[in-house]
Amino acid sequence: AQSVAQPEDQVNVAEGNPLTVKCTYSVSGNPYLFWYVQYPNRGLQFLLKYITGDNLVKGSYGFEAEFNKSQTSFHLKKPSALVSDSALYFCAVRPPDSGNTPLVFGKGTRLSVIA
Amino acid sequence: DGGITQSPKYLFRKEGQNVTLSCEQNLNHDAMYWYRQDPGQGLRLIYYSQIVNDFQKGDIAEGYSVSREKKESFPLTVTSAQKNPTAFYLCASAGARYEQFFGPGTRLTVL
Repeated sequence: AQSVAQPEDQVNVAEGNPLTVKCTYSVSGNPYLFWYVQYPNRGLQFLLKYITGDNLVKGSYGFEAEFNKSQTSFHLKKPSALVSDSALYFCAVRPPDSGNTPLVFGKGTRLSVIA
Repeated sequence: DGGITQSPKYLFRKEGQNVTLSCEQNLNHDAMYWYRQDPGQGLRLIYYSQIVNDFQKGDIAEGYSVSREKKESFPLTVTSAQKNPTAFYLCASAGARYEQFFGPGTRLTVL
């Protein structure tokens, strides 16, 4: 069965510094991978996805993520963090060719950007 | 949040009551999902439906029921059998673009 691990419950970074939020996955074959962001008392907002092609994926709000098949990772990155990036971030996975079966989510990583 | 609406935003339930959470989407998506979110536990799947008039149990379906009579609607009923229903409930839908789109959520509190 597929699974996602987000090894850090909390990540703290100073404003203007680069940020990384880690995600590793376990799934058979080449996975579909996703990142979402959640602000307090709101639904999840889609940031970016990897389906196929370039391993570096660019998404909303200046975020990007790199698919690394050998390390089974899909870390979220941003070159320069903003205080407004402070939120809860979720990584998710779905096996390929699985139609609209539900995404499997990690437990989330809380990002705190300090001014 | 665009395209998926959930109501109400806040809901209070007394012990022994059934309550129904509404989820509507105008994205013409075939698939819809219900998740429960508790602090520190991420999202847990309650039920999902890939087509009208069909649905499957997720990981924590006990104490919940759903229906999918229309493509745009997927209501969730929290029954009195659900012993600890206080949580944030999220509805989502998906079409041909792989990702799921989420509604704004309903926060349910048991009094």
